[in-house]
Amino acid sequence: SAVISQKPSRDICQRGTSLTIQCQVDSQVTMMFWYRQQPGQSLTLIATANQGSEATYESGFVIDKFPISRPNLTFSTLTVSNMSPEDSSIYLCSVPDRGLYNEQFFGPGTRLTVL
Amino acid sequence: AQSVAQPEDQVNVAEGNPLTVKCTYSVSGNPYLFWYVQYPNRGLQFLLKYITGDNLVKGSYGFEAEFNKSQTSFHLKKPSALVSDSALYFCAVRDIGGSSNTGKLIFGQGTTLQVKP
Repeated sequence: SAVISQKPSRDICQRGTSLTIQCQVDSQVTMMFWYRQQPGQSLTLIATANQGSEATYESGFVIDKFPISRPNLTFSTLTVSNMSPEDSSIYLCSVPDRGLYNEQFFGPGTRLTVL
Repeated sequence: AQSVAQPEDQVNVAEGNPLTVKCTYSVSGNPYLFWYVQYPNRGLQFLLKYITGDNLVKGSYGFEAEFNKSQTSFHLKKPSALVSDSALYFCAVRDIGGSSNTGKLIFGQGTTLQVKP
């Protein structure tokens, strides 16, 4: 299984600022996923990040608000831009196990509070 | 479109009793189903999956799940609940063959399991 770390683990930010979340994996992976978990809600996929190409965003999420970088096969960043209190959520990165039909592994998450 | 539903927001059981957390799914094609658990202030942990084969799938921490194709269900079960099983449980389906074909997971709403001593 993959070991995934995220930084920061939590942060409190002011409205209108931006926060960049880092995700590091202990093995090389082609795809990385970024999810959002709003308070008391389920997980919603924000985007899929492939190394060497633009991220693919899900409906309702746009690159200007959630720019993603994927500089190599073990690292990705998600930026939450121009934050508002509605962005207060847990943000999780995830990678699939080898094989399309296998499970995904999740990082510990970044708990973001926007004041 | 693929989807999963967890009809119960919360399930309460007494320690030592059997537990069931319900999940139903809707997919086009073969279902690839998963259960995850989330403890407070922790990430998601994989419990078990159904890809093909036996309808009864065994997973981590003594959990198992029963795949029922006719009822389109994938209920999570455990014969004897522990207080430490108290957590948030998510059912998920893998979206195979969608427009992006990334194999992304689609999650249910989650069910809080409360096991009381």
